[in-house]
Amino acid sequence: QQQVKQSPQSLIVQKGGIPIINCAYENTAFDYFPWYQQFPGKGPALLIAIRPDVSEKKEGRFTISFNKSAKQFSLHIMDSQPGDSATYFCAASMEGSQGNLIFGKGTKLSVKP
Amino acid sequence: DTGVSQDPRHKITKRGQNVTFRCDPISEHNRLYWYRQTLGQGPEFLTYFQNEAQLEKSRLLSDRFSAERPKGSFSTLEIQRTEQGDSAMYLCASRPTGYNEQFFGPGTRLTVL
Repeated sequence: QQQVKQSPQSLIVQKGGIPIINCAYENTAFDYFPWYQQFPGKGPALLIAIRPDVSEKKEGRFTISFNKSAKQFSLHIMDSQPGDSATYFCAASMEGSQGNLIFGKGTKLSVKP
Repeated sequence: DTGVSQDPRHKITKRGQNVTFRCDPISEHNRLYWYRQTLGQGPEFLTYFQNEAQLEKSRLLSDRFSAERPKGSFSTLEIQRTEQGDSAMYLCASRPTGYNEQFFGPGTRLTVL
């Protein structure tokens, strides 16, 4: 049973475009939702995270939108650059548990110059 | 560089051999996680330490796997009698007390021939 579903699997945009990556979760006990960026051969790097009491959070060119009733959240990358080409993972965890992250399957983003 | 280091970065072994990986978390982070990531997938939780206590183990962690965190500092993950299905990236993450953020190391890429 996949608890965090991520789409699309891959995404190609032109430089300056706004790629949007979506995630849906099933467990309403989740209360922490981070996004990670991973380059080939590297470990995941934390980009931005949100808690369910907030509907939107922005950090630099990265924005998370959160819809608690729909159990969905998304990552928007403004003014995307070729250097943003990477795989992006959404994740979720429960603070009341041990806090282990449950990841989506990832979205491979390619930003064309 | 998140400050989490892992050693070795790459390991090639023959089926049936034992391997051991090391993780050095960020100093004073009392929580440490191990994840496994196979090609094209998100990281999957293996086990969790709070200080030196191993508090949770995933069903993915078969009896061939063992992890330790002596004195609550670095951690080791050992795989005995390796199988080809163990080939994956093994990731370590550390987390400070009172915060949700997990910071990943660069991973150890294991190839079992």
